[in-house]
Order: sequence, then structure tokens, then C-alpha cells
Amino acid sequence: GEDVEQSLFLSVREGDSSVINCTYTDSSSTYLYWYKQEPGAGLQLLTYIFSNMDMKQDQRLTVLLNKKDKHLSLRIADTQTGDSAIYFCAERVGNQFYFGTGTSLTVIP
Amino acid sequence: DADVTQTPRNRITKTGKRIMLECSQTKGHDRMYWYRQDPGLGLRLIYYSFDVKDINKGEISDGYSVSRQAQAKFSLSLESAIPNQTALYFCATSDFDRAGGELFFGEGSRLTVL
Repeated sequence: GEDVEQSLFLSVREGDSSVINCTYTDSSSTYLYWYKQEPGAGLQLLTYIFSNMDMKQDQRLTVLLNKKDKHLSLRIADTQTGDSAIYFCAERVGNQFYFGTGTSLTVIP
Repeated sequence: DADVTQTPRNRITKTGKRIMLECSQTKGHDRMYWYRQDPGLGLRLIYYSFDVKDINKGEISDGYSVSRQAQAKFSLSLESAIPNQTALYFCATSDFDRAGGELFFGEGSRLTVL
């Protein structure tokens, strides 16, 4: 399968910005996604970006896509304790989805 | 009610037992998937189905089988469970005709094999 990589852990203080990074290997991906998983729950879509876009903003979330470096990032502004969760990036290549390992975000009050 | 429902949510079983995890969806999507989540490994695809007559193996299909009983139902079976199949299992659906074509996940089924 394709390689999608993320760092495993990130800690930030409440009110700061969080940046979660992801790298992928397949340049033919059509969409890239960010999902959030809270304890005991399934994955919920936060946002997605079409592969021909560089940036997408949705309220506190900003997604940046650098196709040359195959790098995707998710910035969460004004991070709150309710943002503590595991965040997965994923790419869709053809009919398949490939997921990263997930980044566990801890927000320190 | 959840759009993608998985049963059971939790199951403890013994090595060698047959286990079935069930998934039903009300989203009307043709595409359904089974994933396995292990800590530090992300989600790995077990099987997927694009319609009732279409079943495809994923990355880690060995030891698993599936059945697509109807457009809305996709079940995953472990014929003879082993401890390294202890994991969190997710069913998901998608519709590639909509913008984004993202996966919609169930709440997960936690399986422990002793």
C-alpha cells in the first residue's frame, strides 16, 4: 500500500495553535482528508482538500497542501481541550484510501 | 440514529472461535469497507465491496472473510479467531459521486481474542 506518515504525539497549551503534519508518497491522490477520533468513537471527517488546491480554511481549521513535497498539514487555531483526540490524515488514490498512523493531540489546560 | 451501525460494539472470545461482526448503513452508499485499527499502525483495509456482487481483498485479508448480504449490510467473519486479531474494527461507507467522496465510519467493534 501507499505510505502515509505522521508523528505519533503532539502536545500544545490551550489557546495556542496546533499544527499536525502528514507526508504521503503517491502523487496521484485525488483527495486528502483529515479525520478526528475521540476516545471510544469512530473517525469523523474534519475536512478534505482536493489535490489541485493549495489551501482550505474552515473556521478554526486550515489545511495546507504542498504537492511538490507531498506534505499535508492541519492547523487548529485557538486549540481547546475538546480538541484532544487522535487525528488521521488519509489520501484517496483511485478507489482506495490510505491512512496515516494517527497523531495523538493532547491539549494542556 | 447512527448512519453506520456496527454490532457488537465489544466482544471477548477465545482462540479458535468463529466470530461475526455486522455492519448496516442507512446512507444508501454502494461502497462499503472493513478496516482494522491497531495502536501505532493506523487503519488497514481488510475487505471492501463496491456493490452486492463485488467483493475485494484489502491489505490484510488473511484470516478474514466477508459477506455483502444487501446494499445496506456488510459483515466480517473471523473463521477461527487468534489473539493477534485482537483489535478495533471499523466499517465504513462512501459515495464517490459526491464531492470529497469521504469515508463515513461506524463507531467501531472492539474484539479481544484470548
